[in-house]
Amino acid sequence: GAVVSQHPSRVICKSGTSVKIECRSLDFQATTMFWYRQFPKQSLMLMATSNEGSKATYEQGVEKDKFLINHASLTLSTLTVTSAHPEDSSFYICSATYSGSGYEQYFGPGTRLTVT
Amino acid sequence: QKEVEQDPGPLSVPEGAIVSLNCTYSNSAFQYFMWYRQYSRKGPELLMYTYSSGNKEDGRFTAQVDKSSKYISLFIRDSQPSDSATYLCATLQGAQKLVFGQGTRLTINP
Repeated sequence: GAVVSQHPSRVICKSGTSVKIECRSLDFQATTMFWYRQFPKQSLMLMATSNEGSKATYEQGVEKDKFLINHASLTLSTLTVTSAHPEDSSFYICSATYSGSGYEQYFGPGTRLTVT
Repeated sequence: QKEVEQDPGPLSVPEGAIVSLNCTYSNSAFQYFMWYRQYSRKGPELLMYTYSSGNKEDGRFTAQVDKSSKYISLFIRDSQPSDSATYLCATLQGAQKLVFGQGTRLTINP
């Protein structure tokens, strides 16, 4: 149980375009979803936390107008990277929790974004 | 100073060896400590967690926390090639925020 999927697994886009990444909880209702970014050989860095139906809370230094997060339902959150640039190339991973899971987060498989 | 520091390695050991992975943290208020395993191009999966100081054992894995020195460790006994992965330590900041170490890339050689 507690499976999280992401789509796409890999995406290549041109500089200046926008790209949307989906995160879905497949067998539970995700009360909270998290978005992380992981650069090569570096740690996961939390970008934002979102609760269903409310605005996301962004970590310091993360541009909310550039990284748009929508948590429209209890099973789906989306991250849109707007006007992507090569420095946005990274591994984006989402995670989710459900009521009763406590601190444990269930991670998706990640999305590799390459901006050319 | 990073909140959680971890030697990125890489670490390479022969099959059957005992592996020791370590992290230090800066905030003495941290109470929950986790170890995640991440295979290449995959998301992390929770291996073990501990609360406050002490040891916790699960099969071949032992997690250890020493709050006096702000030091957390993961030991893997009888290491297997399938244990080859990146291991990330993490602490819980507040109710939900996970703060990760850099991750140690481990290779177990057959």
